[in-house]
Amino acid sequence: SQQGEEDPQALSIQEGENATMNCSYKTSINNLQWYRQNSGRGLVHLILIRSNEREKHSGRLRVTLDTSKKSSSLLITASRAADTASYFCATDAGAGKSTFGDGTTLTVKP
Amino acid sequence: DTGVSQDPRHKITKRGQNVTFRCDPISEHNRLYWYRQTLGQGPEFLTYFQNEAQLEKSRLLSDRFSAERPKGSFSTLEIQRTEQGDSAMYLCASSLTISTDTQYFGPGTRLTVL
Repeated sequence: SQQGEEDPQALSIQEGENATMNCSYKTSINNLQWYRQNSGRGLVHLILIRSNEREKHSGRLRVTLDTSKKSSSLLITASRAADTASYFCATDAGAGKSTFGDGTTLTVKP
Repeated sequence: DTGVSQDPRHKITKRGQNVTFRCDPISEHNRLYWYRQTLGQGPEFLTYFQNEAQLEKSRLLSDRFSAERPKGSFSTLEIQRTEQGDSAMYLCASSLTISTDTQYFGPGTRLTVL
């Protein structure tokens, strides 16, 4: 079974709005990563946040991590149509292999 | 392009045939991973290598699957006697040795078993 679970499964917003996706996991982790995947393509790495970090920013992306609640969130501000994709969280509990959730499908309407 | 590359990008085969996929990681990366992804699901870990050593294999990797990384550079994933349930996207990723380092993914090989 997958360790990470994203919520919501699907999200539809208007261009310019903010999008928030959540990820919950079950066991202790070394780090958590967020990836984007366009339909039929490979995964593009967005942000890595380590277990001792609480928040990271990269451009229009903001990731938070709450290890006490075993959860993370990804915020995309001022969304664009090009942000339309599936977003996955992946947890690393050791040995470097990642365990993925089933993703949030984001649709940004122009 | 110095990213992870995979070949072929698409493979259509008949049930019972053998298929082999290749992954070329980023050149300085010691670790190489294989994942499988089916429609609507997240990637599932199959196996990973540290240089040429295969360090872990998932229970998903049945006896029909074999992966190699003979010289610690490129890797191959072979599926013997393919079944329709093997139809999926096969993703390769690579990273540096440090376990907290980012995994960089290739574009994937989409396998369709008829």
